[in-house]
Amino acid sequence: EIILTQSPGTLSLSPGERATLSCKASQNIVSRFLAWYQQKPGQAPRLLIFGASRRAFGIPDRFSGSGSGTDFTLTISRLEPEDFAVYYCQQYDTSTSYTFGQGTKLEIK
Amino acid sequence: EEQLVESGGGLVQPGRSLRLSCAASGFIFGDYAMHWVRQAPGKGLEWVSGIGWNSSIIRYADSVKGRFTISRDDAKNSLYLQMSSLTFEDMALYYCAKDQWLAPKGAFDLWGQGTMVIVSS
Repeated sequence: EIILTQSPGTLSLSPGERATLSCKASQNIVSRFLAWYQQKPGQAPRLLIFGASRRAFGIPDRFSGSGSGTDFTLTISRLEPEDFAVYYCQQYDTSTSYTFGQGTKLEIK
Repeated sequence: EEQLVESGGGLVQPGRSLRLSCAASGFIFGDYAMHWVRQAPGKGLEWVSGIGWNSSIIRYADSVKGRFTISRDDAKNSLYLQMSSLTFEDMALYYCAKDQWLAPKGAFDLWGQGTMVIVSS
C-alpha cells in the first residue's frame, strides 16, 4: 500500500499570502493518479486537482498542483478567506486501492 | 444539478449489520464508477470500497474486506454498502463519491454530504 505523508500538519498564513502544501509518497506513483481535495468544517471534500496538475471544473486558477514520482505540491498563489480549510492528497493507483494523506490544516494567522 | 444523497446511517451495536444507500441524480449514474469513503470523528479520510460501471470491478480496503459488500442498482441510480460484523473502528461519517471514470481508477469529482454510523453498545 502506498502511504502518503503530508506536511506541514498545520500551516498558519494570512490572506494574500502564498501557501505551499507538500505530499510525499512512500513509493513512486504515476502522476495522473494524484489528486488534491479541500474540506471545510461540516462539509464534504471537494476535488481541486487531479492528475497531479489538472484543475477540476470550477476551481479558481490560484490553485495549482505540481510534482512527480514521490513528491507532489499544492500551491495556492494568493490566499482568499474562503481557502482556509483542510487539504488532503490522494493517490488512486489502479492496482488495488486508494489512500489519502493525513491532511494539512490551513489556518488564518 | 449533480447530486449524491446518502442514507441508512444510525446507531448500531457491535457485531451487528447496517446497510447504507446513496441516491444519485443529475448525471448518468451507470456511466461512472462509485465509491464509499469514511471519516471518523475528527480524523482524516479513508477510502472504503469502489465499484466499476457494470459492477465488473469491485475493490475493498483491507480494513473492511470480508465484512462489507458494495453493490449498485443502475436502474434505481443507487449505490449500496452492506456492512456486517461492525466494530467501534467502523464508526464514522460515510460518504458516497463519484469517480471520474467508468472503472474505479479516477479521482472523486462529486461527493454526498455523508451519513453517520455510530457503533455503540
